[in-house]
Amino acid sequence: EVQLVESGGGLVQPGRSLRLSCTTSGFIFGDYAMSWFRQAPGRGLEWLGFIRSNAFDGTTDYAASLQGRFTISRDDSKGIAYLQMSSVTTDDTAVYFCSKVYYDYIGGIPSWFDSWGQGTLVTVSS
Amino acid sequence: QSVLTQSPSVSAAPGQEVTIACSGSSSNIGNNHVSWYQHFPGTAPKLLIYDNDKRPSGIPHRFSGSKSGTSATLVITGLQTGDEADYYCGTWDNSPSGGVVFGGGTKVTVV
Repeated sequence: EVQLVESGGGLVQPGRSLRLSCTTSGFIFGDYAMSWFRQAPGRGLEWLGFIRSNAFDGTTDYAASLQGRFTISRDDSKGIAYLQMSSVTTDDTAVYFCSKVYYDYIGGIPSWFDSWGQGTLVTVSS
Repeated sequence: QSVLTQSPSVSAAPGQEVTIACSGSSSNIGNNHVSWYQHFPGTAPKLLIYDNDKRPSGIPHRFSGSKSGTSATLVITGLQTGDEADYYCGTWDNSPSGGVVFGGGTKVTVV
């Protein structure tokens, strides 16, 4: 059974950094791209970015709105994907989700997101 | 403001049918496949439909998807109380600042 569990959320002050983890099991992590999303209070899903498998150099793409503040990385030996958040603001308060990606290697884009974690809450407040 | 447009809510009685529309443009739905997700607040979102109209294993046939031009549709037939959730359409947007885009979500209420 595929499982994804996000962790690392909590209360963080504006301007600080935070790293979230997505610990996976039930599939060959290294074969898949991984993605991060968030849902702010009262709002819909927002895509943050994704990281390709290392077979495709583990390169990343991000939502333009993040303006380079977030970085996604992966540790295939541990089956964990990370989301490094920097210079956080109150607008970053949200539940953060990770997902396993079905990646279109021909088109070079993520096609769909077939397994998700339950999310971890990040609250940015002084 | 979401790139894809969905009605905020729809409601129907048990056993009836609901249709959730997702409107986009040529830079997203018009040239890419659409997927749909069911989300109960506080839980993991679930993939319902991929590649416009395909169901993953385990998703009931009551859920169906389609795409025409720059719009996509999710239909739920034989509505059940357990279907009461938020539903999101998503796709890739080819514009320079694109990426993965979602609709704002549609809340399905079983009345």
